[in-house]
Amino acid sequence: EVQLLESGGGLVQPGGSLRLSCAASGFTFSSYAMSWVRQAPGKGLEWVSAISGSGGSTYYADSVKGRFTISRDNSKNTLYLQMNSLRAEDTAVYYCAKESSFASPLPSNFMDVWGQGTTVTVSS
Amino acid sequence: QSVLTQPPSASGTPGQRVTISCSGSSSNIGSNTVNWYQQLPGTAPKLLIYSNNQRPSGVPDRFSGSKSGTSASLAISGLQSEDEADYYCAAWDDSLNAWGFGGGTKLTVL
Repeated sequence: EVQLLESGGGLVQPGGSLRLSCAASGFTFSSYAMSWVRQAPGKGLEWVSAISGSGGSTYYADSVKGRFTISRDNSKNTLYLQMNSLRAEDTAVYYCAKESSFASPLPSNFMDVWGQGTTVTVSS
Repeated sequence: QSVLTQPPSASGTPGQRVTISCSGSSSNIGSNTVNWYQQLPGTAPKLLIYSNNQRPSGVPDRFSGSKSGTSASLAISGLQSEDEADYYCAAWDDSLNAWGFGGGTKLTVL
């Protein structure tokens, strides 16, 4: 069964850091690009970042550029999101999602598998 | 402000046909394919329609998608109570170099 399991969320003070992880199973992890998508409380979905299957290409939403870093360890089938200089507006449920091909970005891609999400709360 | 524009709400009675619109621009829907996601209450999003009008395995054929110019639509026929959910459209935006989502449409089955 294809599965994504996020972890690492929690309560952090403004200006602090947090690293999210997403453990993948049931598919050849290195063959697919991956994305992080977040959802603030009561709000819609917002794409955060994407990484190609090799990890050689990364993309970020303007709202997190320079503060967040996406990476992956294909030997461990794990996706990461390092979040620095956190702000109150980063409070959200963070989902990792498998994209439909190796390359990213690829406009014809779609996110065909989603994890259950991990909650990040930025507050003093 | 979402990249794509959806109505915040939609409703219908069981058995009815409902349509949800998604409006974009030449840099997103106008030049790229559209995907739709369904988010049932308290759960993670799930892929519903990809590449404008393709259904993943397991998605009932009551759900259909279409695209014309810079707009797309999701249609749900034979509405059922379990269709009550939030629906999001998404497309890659060539100008922003980012995935754009719609603000979501909350579907209520009356």
